[in-house]
Amino acid sequence: DTAVSQTPKYLVTQMGNDKSIKCEQNLGHDTMYWYKQDSKKFLKIMFSYNNKELIINETVPNRFSPKSPDKAHLNLHINSLELGDSAVYFCASSQVAGSGTGELFFGEGSRLTVL
Amino acid sequence: DAKTTQPPSMDCAEGRAANLPCNHSTISGNEYVYWYRQIHSQGPQYIIHGLKNNETNEMASLIITEDRKSSTLILPHATLRDTAVYYCIVRAYNQGGKLIFGQGTELSVKP
Repeated sequence: DTAVSQTPKYLVTQMGNDKSIKCEQNLGHDTMYWYKQDSKKFLKIMFSYNNKELIINETVPNRFSPKSPDKAHLNLHINSLELGDSAVYFCASSQVAGSGTGELFFGEGSRLTVL
Repeated sequence: DAKTTQPPSMDCAEGRAANLPCNHSTISGNEYVYWYRQIHSQGPQYIIHGLKNNETNEMASLIITEDRKSSTLILPHATLRDTAVYYCIVRAYNQGGKLIFGQGTELSVKP
């Protein structure tokens, strides 16, 4: 079984559309994250949730809205998509938010292409 | 900004040890050194972490200098599947999952 799974793996859409990426982890972790990897391959954290509570919110346009229905799921909804949103979005999870080994388990990524 | 400096690329012969250096001269006393790698088109994968003692696990060894200003990740017998970008990250123990990734080192293992 995949530990951290994301859907869809690929998403091609037009500017101005609204889209969602879903993430689920079966590791029993309390904390989940969204990272973005741009065309220059830099990985940056966007959001983090601990037990459904938002704990990290980096400087991200408010067109991006994370939602955590339970601690095993963290979805990312993006409104009014722009060309610059094209990237690979990685979901991750870890056992404890504020301390612990710092070991994050990443999903395989969702490649978003905005045309 | 990343607090680490790594060479952009390295080559290694298959079966030989791969030694990946990392400079973190501004590391604080409560910050750990973490290594992750990203194989092409996959999510990053945790490798190892340490504070000041050398560490070893089934994947790699981590050697941290006594002044903690630099470290080396050692893959003892590199295989073609170890070809990846390797990221050295420093992070305080209580900073949760906010990992700040730099450019990393692109390791190419050649037959």
